[in-house]
Amino acid sequence: DIVMTQSPDSLAVSLGERATINCKSSQSVLYSSNNKNYLAWYQQKPGQPPKLLIYWASTRESGVPDRFSGSGSGTDFTLTISGLQAEDVAVYYCQQYYSSPQAFGQGTKLEIK
Amino acid sequence: QVQLQESGPGLVKPSETLSLTCVVSGYSISSGYYWGWIRQSPGKGLEWIGNIHHSGGTYYNPSLKSRVTISVDTSKNQFSLNLSSVTAADTAVYFCARLENTWQPFDYWGQGTLVTVSS
Repeated sequence: DIVMTQSPDSLAVSLGERATINCKSSQSVLYSSNNKNYLAWYQQKPGQPPKLLIYWASTRESGVPDRFSGSGSGTDFTLTISGLQAEDVAVYYCQQYYSSPQAFGQGTKLEIK
Repeated sequence: QVQLQESGPGLVKPSETLSLTCVVSGYSISSGYYWGWIRQSPGKGLEWIGNIHHSGGTYYNPSLKSRVTISVDTSKNQFSLNLSSVTAADTAVYFCARLENTWQPFDYWGQGTLVTVSS
C-alpha cells in the first residue's frame, strides 16, 4: 500500500503571506504512460466534507481561486497558498489515486498567525 | 448541480451490519461516473472504503473487503453501503462521493453522516 505523509501537521501563517504544505508518497504516483501524477489536494472546513482543490498534482478544480497551486512529481508534492485569506483556515489533505487502496495523508491544519 | 445525501442509522450495535444509502440528485447515476464511500475517524483520518460503477462493477479497500458490500439502484438514483460485523473501530463519519473514474479524485461529496458503534 502507498502511504501518504504530510508535513507539517499544523501551520500558522499571517494574512497575506504564503502557506506551503508538503506531501510525500511512499511510492511514485507518476504513471509513465500518460506522464500524470495521480495526486489530489482537498480542503476541509469544520463540519463540512472535503472539497477538491487540485488534481493531477497541479490542475485546479473549476472555481478554485488561483492563489491555490500544486506542484511536484513522483513522490514529493507541495500545495501553496499565496496571499493567505481568513477563509483559507482549514485542514488540507493530499490523496493518491494511483493504486488501490486510494490513500489520504493525515492532514495539515492551517491557522492564521 | 450534483448533490449527494447520506442516510441511515446513527447508532449500530457491535457485531451487527452498518447500512447507509446515498441519494444522488442533479445527475442520473445510470449516465456514468463512479460512486464511492469514504469514512473519517479521529484515529484513522480519511479512509477510502470502495467505489461502484453504475453498471455494478465494484472496487473495495482490501483491508475492508471481507466485510463490505456496495450496491447501486439506478431506478432510485442511489447507492448503498453495507459493512458487516462492526466494532467500535468502525465509528466514523461516513461520506458518499462521486468520481469520474475509479482512478480519479472525488469531485462531489455528501455532507457526511456520523455512525457510532456501541451497545
